[in-house]
This record gives sequence, structure tokens and C-alpha cells, in this order.
Amino acid sequence: GAVVSQHPSRVICKSGTSVKIECRSLDFQATTMFWYRQFPKQSLMLMATSNEGSKATYEQGVEKDKFLINHASLTLSTLTVTSAHPEDSSFYICSAPAGGLGDTQYFGPGTRLTVL
Amino acid sequence: GEDVEQSLFLSVREGDSSVINCTYTDSSSTYLYWYKQEPGAGLQLLTYIFSNMDMKQDQRLTVLLNKKDKHLSLRIADTQTGDSAIYFCAETLYNQGGKLIFGQGTELSVKP
Repeated sequence: GAVVSQHPSRVICKSGTSVKIECRSLDFQATTMFWYRQFPKQSLMLMATSNEGSKATYEQGVEKDKFLINHASLTLSTLTVTSAHPEDSSFYICSAPAGGLGDTQYFGPGTRLTVL
Repeated sequence: GEDVEQSLFLSVREGDSSVINCTYTDSSSTYLYWYKQEPGAGLQLLTYIFSNMDMKQDQRLTVLLNKKDKHLSLRIADTQTGDSAIYFCAETLYNQGGKLIFGQGTELSVKP
């Protein structure tokens, strides 16, 4: 199946710093990618839809100035958590539809962000 | 509105069959999916079913869809300890650009 990678897999940072997370589709192109956030023992919450060459679409309640998304190419989307605070600590997962039957989405392995 | 619900826990013995259930509310679902998540990892696509199908079987996995009742189930035959994980059902809706709506996840515990 299609492969999606994320980098870094784990990051610990101090409060007030910014953190960039990369999501790459390794063997297919993705004009759209999705960013999710997952709290422990909870489901995935869609944060935003990343669109190649245009602005991201944010879900209700997600601060676009806090979570900057850039879809620079057909294989790369980045999520930058600006001025991170402890409440931003979470598991961030991206996904990309690989097209084809079922328009199935393939997920990255996730990035564990801990803000001290 | 869009809502997908699952029971939170299921415990079975190794070798038994597991059945994980899911209900959804939106009748404009196009595809329904089952994903598996192991601790600290991303989501692994297990299988999916198109909304006009009733059943799909893939090795140990059987998906049943009752569109009238908006009920989806995943049966895992001969459950193994390696099947212990959280299982999410999800749906995509017509004309929503592939956005997935997830259930809360069912934690499957397989005891030897």
C-alpha cells in the first residue's frame, strides 16, 4: 500500500517555541492531506485540510494562526505549532488519500509533541 | 449531523472470534472503513466497504454493513494476541473531499 511518513516522530520543546512537523507521501502524489490531533485514549480530531498550492481549510474551533499549514509540493505538507504551550501536547497524525477505489487514506506514523 | 459511535472495550480469548460494532447517523456515507491503531503508532487501514455493499471478506476479516440500520461490524476470526489494539471505524461522506469522520475507537484485548 501507499506510504506516508512523518518527521519527527517525537519532539519535546519548551513553552513558547515553535515546532514544525512534516508529512510526506513517499510513493504517490497528494493534492490534499489531512491533519489530525489525538489525545490519549481518544479518537482523532480533524484539524485542517491541507491543499497543495492554496490555503488550508481549518475545522471549526482550530486557530489558524496557531497551527500554520503549508502544502509546498505534491508530496509534502507541514504543520507548524506556533508559540507552543503545554496544552498543545498531543499526538499529531497526518493522512493522504492515495486515490483509486475507495479513495482510501493512508496515515503517517504520528508525531508525539510534548511541551514543557 | 455526522456521528459515528462504537463501544469502547471488548475482551476475548485467543482463538475466539471478535466482533466490533459501529453505528453511524449520516445516510450519505460513501465508504466505511476499519482502521487499527497500536500503542504510539499511526493508523493502519484494515479494510473498507462501499456503502452499496452488504459484506466484504478478506482473510480473517469480515465486514458486514446493514445500511437500513446504519450498522457496521468487523469480525476477526481466530483472534490472536497480536490483534490487541484500538479499532476505529470511519466514514466518508458524499462531496466532502475525502474527510474522514471517526468513531471513538474500540479497545480490543485478547487474552491468552
